[in-house]
Amino acid sequence: EDQVTQSPEALRLQEGESSSLNCSYTVSGLRGLFWYRQDPGKGPEFLFTLYSAGEEKEKERLKATLTKKESFLHITAPKPEDSATYLCAVQGRGTSYGKLTFGQGTILTVHP
Amino acid sequence: DSGVTQTPKHLITATGQRVTLRCSPRSGDLSVYWYQQSLDQGLQFLIQYYNGEERAKGNILERFSAQQFPDLHSELNLSSLELGDSALYFCASSGGRVTNYGYTFGSGTRLTVV
Repeated sequence: EDQVTQSPEALRLQEGESSSLNCSYTVSGLRGLFWYRQDPGKGPEFLFTLYSAGEEKEKERLKATLTKKESFLHITAPKPEDSATYLCAVQGRGTSYGKLTFGQGTILTVHP
Repeated sequence: DSGVTQTPKHLITATGQRVTLRCSPRSGDLSVYWYQQSLDQGLQFLIQYYNGEERAKGNILERFSAQQFPDLHSELNLSSLELGDSALYFCASSGGRVTNYGYTFGSGTRLTVV
């Protein structure tokens, strides 16, 4: 069964203080690894899809990287508006159709 | 606005009751997914429909059922409700049977069972 573990559970940063979020996964053949952002009371918002080890994607202050066992979401010079829960999910080749398995998320708080 | 519409936004009901949650997928999307999000369980996959047919089933209780109609909207029916069913229920949609580009989520229905 596919599994996703995210760490840390919560992260507090000062504005401008760069850091990384971790997503460790086990999957029977990775079809894709997904990062989402979720604001309180709202649905998750799609950020990135990574398909193979070594792949990197960037969007504004966010950069996602992928290895065979984990993914990192690097946040460079964060701003208070980056505060949210960041979710990682995987889709395995053995997975029925489009099912994604999500981690518990990392709650990021950026203080001004 | 993500394009995925869920109604109602909030629902408060008593134990033992039955409720129906509704989802309209993003225009053109054929797949609809239902997820349950609670504080201790995170996002849990319930069920997927593709163009009216059930395609994948997750940890969905027998008290829960879903369907997708010809106009592609979907409904999630929850019956014999228990306090533990209180959660956020999300619907998501994608274009195909298997998505490589991520889902688009709705804003969810918050269910409170009292």
